[in-house]
Amino acid sequence: DTGVSQDPRHKITKRGQNVTFRCDPISEHNRLYWYRQTLGQGPEFLTYFQNEAQLEKSRLLSDRFSAERPKGSFSTLEIQRTEQGDSAMYLCASSLMRGQNTEAFFGQGTRLTVV
Amino acid sequence: GNSVTQMEGPVTLSEEAFLTINCTYTATGYPSLFWYVQYPGEGLQLLLKATKADDKGSNKGFEATYRKETTSFHLEKGSVQVSDSAVYFCALSGFQGAQKLVFGQGTRLTINP
Repeated sequence: DTGVSQDPRHKITKRGQNVTFRCDPISEHNRLYWYRQTLGQGPEFLTYFQNEAQLEKSRLLSDRFSAERPKGSFSTLEIQRTEQGDSAMYLCASSLMRGQNTEAFFGQGTRLTVV
Repeated sequence: GNSVTQMEGPVTLSEEAFLTINCTYTATGYPSLFWYVQYPGEGLQLLLKATKADDKGSNKGFEATYRKETTSFHLEKGSVQVSDSAVYFCALSGFQGAQKLVFGQGTRLTINP
């Protein structure tokens, strides 16, 4: 397995357009997380899934954002009616939930620029 | 709520210098603590972790000790190399396997030859 992969790596979109990002986690991992990172800041938690169930959503995740993990494998994050403030790096991570000794593995991220 | 405060950067050192990057946290219960590193053009990688008080995490010459009394998890390395240039993030996650990570703002480290 080559780790967590995200697609696309870069996305430039016009304000008001919808965008969708994809994350493919490490194959046996049952947890999948989305984070957002703006320039000069640490990643901020958006949402996470255990298998196909979305268990927690941050207040950062406005109603323009929706995430799915339909078969408990890959996940998509959609942003509707993008705004300039949505410009950021969107990171996906996965982990195998097994007691407390787990490690989250991160993808390289999708950099979104809204113009 | 849970939060992490890191030493502000950027930090610039000469090769073979001693490194300390300070990290303090606020959390309820007994969090796990982590240091992640982000090399240029790459994703976040776990550098080291500690899951309970007084544990020491270590990897690649880096060390950090979980200090509950001072709510700190400072990162140290005795002799840095140019290849250590990266952005370092301190993070915590909740107790009982809750793996949502709360990150500090990151510290950019540059090592000059």
